[in-house]
Amino acid sequence: QKEVEQNSGPLSVPEGAIASLNCTYSDRGSQSFFWYRQYSGKSPELIMFIYSNGDKEDGRFTAQLNKASQYVSLLIRDSQPSDSATYLCAVNSGGYNKLIFGAGTRLAVHP
Amino acid sequence: DVKVTQSSRYLVKRTGEKVFLECVQDMDHENMFWYRQDPGLGLRLIYFSYDVKMKEKGDIPEGYSVSREKKERFSLILESASTNQTSMYLCASSFPYNEQFFGPGTRLTVL
Repeated sequence: QKEVEQNSGPLSVPEGAIASLNCTYSDRGSQSFFWYRQYSGKSPELIMFIYSNGDKEDGRFTAQLNKASQYVSLLIRDSQPSDSATYLCAVNSGGYNKLIFGAGTRLAVHP
Repeated sequence: DVKVTQSSRYLVKRTGEKVFLECVQDMDHENMFWYRQDPGLGLRLIYFSYDVKMKEKGDIPEGYSVSREKKERFSLILESASTNQTSMYLCASSFPYNEQFFGPGTRLTVL
């Protein structure tokens, strides 16, 4: 059974701090990695995707991928209360881009 | 902007009823997906489709069927609704090997 593991949290950080969200996956053949943000009662929305080892930055967000360790992370710099949400890690599996989702990490940014 | 719409935001049905959930996307995506999301269990794939009239079972297909007669529309059918099918149902679409875009979700309650 291919799996994606995330710490459920909640991860609590003060406003302005860096939030670090982690994800491990079991399928060594996975090629595409996605981070989604989901506010309570809403559907997931894509924040970032990463395909290559290393870092990818987009504004306050940085995705990090280490395929050898089967590990992907999301860093949120200068965290804001509006970043409080559940963050889902997703990894492709098999053809047609079927994704396997982690259960999500709940992030709480307090003023 | 990609738009994925679902026929209802909230739905209440009785045990044994046949239930239809509709999803429409306007981006000419080949792939369409149906998930259910339950607290603590994350997103679980029910069925997906990679072309018109083509479908494949996901991780939890029991009690569900799907129909894709046109490229833009993917329907989820609960043949005989049961209380354990009370959940949030999310539709998504994508091009192959690309990120998935989600609809707003349908919160289904089966009494």
